[in-house]
Amino acid sequence: GQQVMQIPQYQHVQEGEDFTTYCNSSTTLSNIQWYKQRPGGHPVFLIQLVKSGEVKKQKRLTFQFGEAKKNSSLHITATQTTDVGTYFCAYGGSQGNLIFGKGTKLSVKP
Amino acid sequence: NAGVTQTPKFQVLKTGQSMTLQCAQDMNHEYMSWYRQDPGMGLRLIHYSVGAGITDQGEVPNGYNVSRSTTEDFPLRLLSAAPSQTSVYFCASSYRLHNEQFFGPGTRLTVL
Repeated sequence: GQQVMQIPQYQHVQEGEDFTTYCNSSTTLSNIQWYKQRPGGHPVFLIQLVKSGEVKKQKRLTFQFGEAKKNSSLHITATQTTDVGTYFCAYGGSQGNLIFGKGTKLSVKP
Repeated sequence: NAGVTQTPKFQVLKTGQSMTLQCAQDMNHEYMSWYRQDPGMGLRLIHYSVGAGITDQGEVPNGYNVSRSTTEDFPLRLLSAAPSQTSVYFCASSYRLHNEQFFGPGTRLTVL
């Protein structure tokens, strides 16, 4: 079935370094969403991308949707300890449900 | 607005016991869903509903039942708990099918 691969699974960075997580699909996606889950918390919606080649920014976070709508990325500039958590991509499945990637767990060393 | 609420927050069951995890939302969302989260597995969809009276199976439905008699409530029933159902359970809702999902705080379930 339709699946996305999220890489890397884990990322450890020094505070101030940049961080990027990728979401790759073998098929074209109609849209993609990104969520953040803090340790012990619940997933919180960050953004939705719909258009081919779309780029959106939220302060230090930059989200991209590939031209072929088969991949997406989330880039964080100059990480802070508040960025710690797991970042998930999610997309609309063929059966009308929302399917989540396995996530990238980010840790930030102060 | 309370958003999405879930009860209980923590639960310990013995193998074979049954229980219902409660989920309610006050945003008048049509779409509601249940996920389970296990280490390294991400969020896996158990059941979902696109409106009152309509439910459908997700990726891992076995051992779980749902019903949607009202727009607000979407309870998840474990029929006969098994250790493999030890997990964190999240309920979520959204205005439409592929819109922003609002998650509840989760229920941490342990089956002994």
